[in-house]
Amino acid sequence: DQQVKQNSPSLSVQEGRISILNCDYTNSMFDYFLWYKKYPAEGPTFLISISSIKDKNEDGRFTVFLNKSAKHLSLHIVPSQPGDSAVYFCAASGNYGQNFVFGPGTRLSVLP
Amino acid sequence: DAGITQSPRHKVTETGTPVTLRCHQTENHRYMYWYRQDPGHGLRLIHYSYGVKDTDKGEVSDGYSVSRSKTEDFLLTLESATSSQTSVYFCAISVLGSSGANVLTFGAGSRLTVL
Repeated sequence: DQQVKQNSPSLSVQEGRISILNCDYTNSMFDYFLWYKKYPAEGPTFLISISSIKDKNEDGRFTVFLNKSAKHLSLHIVPSQPGDSAVYFCAASGNYGQNFVFGPGTRLSVLP
Repeated sequence: DAGITQSPRHKVTETGTPVTLRCHQTENHRYMYWYRQDPGHGLRLIHYSYGVKDTDKGEVSDGYSVSRSKTEDFLLTLESATSSQTSVYFCAISVLGSSGANVLTFGAGSRLTVL
């Protein structure tokens, strides 16, 4: 049973528009939620995180929103750029931040 | 890659042979992890270590063993490789991020093909 779910395997967006990637989780004990980006033939790289006590965190073009009552978070990328084309993994951590669970990923394609 | 080196980067082997993947870090981090990445499954934890000779199982540990005799090295061993272990394997370390969250930093990956 997946604790972290990303129900959209892929997403295509026009350059300059907003990309919204969604993630749902089942375990209410998670402390932090994180987003990672992965290019082909490379390891995943950390993008942005949010504490379970917050509902929004922003870093440049990237904003993560957390809705604890719905056990849902989303990553907004504005404006989207072709270099944002990658697989995005949602992750959650618990156990004092040393137990990480990942979703299956969403492949984002930003079209020029 | 924050001082994480994985070797080999690519390996092709036959069913039933033993395989060892090595993860080396240069920054003295306590926590180290092995994940595998497969389409539709994302990243799944195989084993992790919280110190020298201290390891624990993840969600997909069957068929894998690990060892950590030095802080800097974390080895993943497939005692008898099977085709279902064809995957990309990532090593990671846990570091404290600027936001206060522990963040995983990953190596470049090791692609294993079992024929």
